[in-house]
Amino acid sequence: EAGVTQFPSHSVIEKGQTVTLRCDPISGHDNLYWYRRVMGKEIKFLLHFVKESKQDESGMPNNRFLAERTGGTYSTLKVQPAELEDSGVYFCASSLSGTIAYEQYFGPGTRLTVT
Amino acid sequence: GENVEQHPSTLSVQEGDSAVIKCTYSDSASNYFPWYKQELGKGPQLIIDIRSNVGEKKDQRIAVTLNKTAKHFSLHITETQPEDSAVYFCAAWAGGFKTIFGAGTRLFVKA
Repeated sequence: EAGVTQFPSHSVIEKGQTVTLRCDPISGHDNLYWYRRVMGKEIKFLLHFVKESKQDESGMPNNRFLAERTGGTYSTLKVQPAELEDSGVYFCASSLSGTIAYEQYFGPGTRLTVT
Repeated sequence: GENVEQHPSTLSVQEGDSAVIKCTYSDSASNYFPWYKQELGKGPQLIIDIRSNVGEKKDQRIAVTLNKTAKHFSLHITETQPEDSAVYFCAAWAGGFKTIFGAGTRLFVKA
């Protein structure tokens, strides 16, 4: 069974540009999470989807970030316009409905560098 | 807000020695404490967890301890091997869908 996949693995963009990150969860996983780890700090929660619905987006830094999960399958996280402080590793994770939230499967992450 | 502090940030041990990583949490409502291992090029993977009503849990060479009064929990790896080299994250969960992570410990096991 394929794990959580993320694309791209690395992205280098200039300040002010737009970037879209993609996450494909494990098939059948209704829960999908986005996290960010900045410069060796803690992994911070960004938001959580159940199927196509956003359940909690309290961790989203500001309105330059937009997450979608159309059809309840893959998800995208768009940053527009990107700022220097947006650099970091963006992780996606998924889990089955009914499981404890931390029993989630992480993707390998997308390393975003904003110059 | 809730936070989890993790120490040390970097740990280097000789193969065969033990490694200990310590965490402190702030939210008294936390009742599960998972640990994740992140190997190079991969995402974090859950390796063990402990419930708040348990003081210690073991799984082969790894063990976790919890002191709920002091809000401390620790990961112990015995007889370390080169393949234990990775970044380890502690976390705390108080229900719902939000898991609070520590900043990670990069463990180097020298052969």
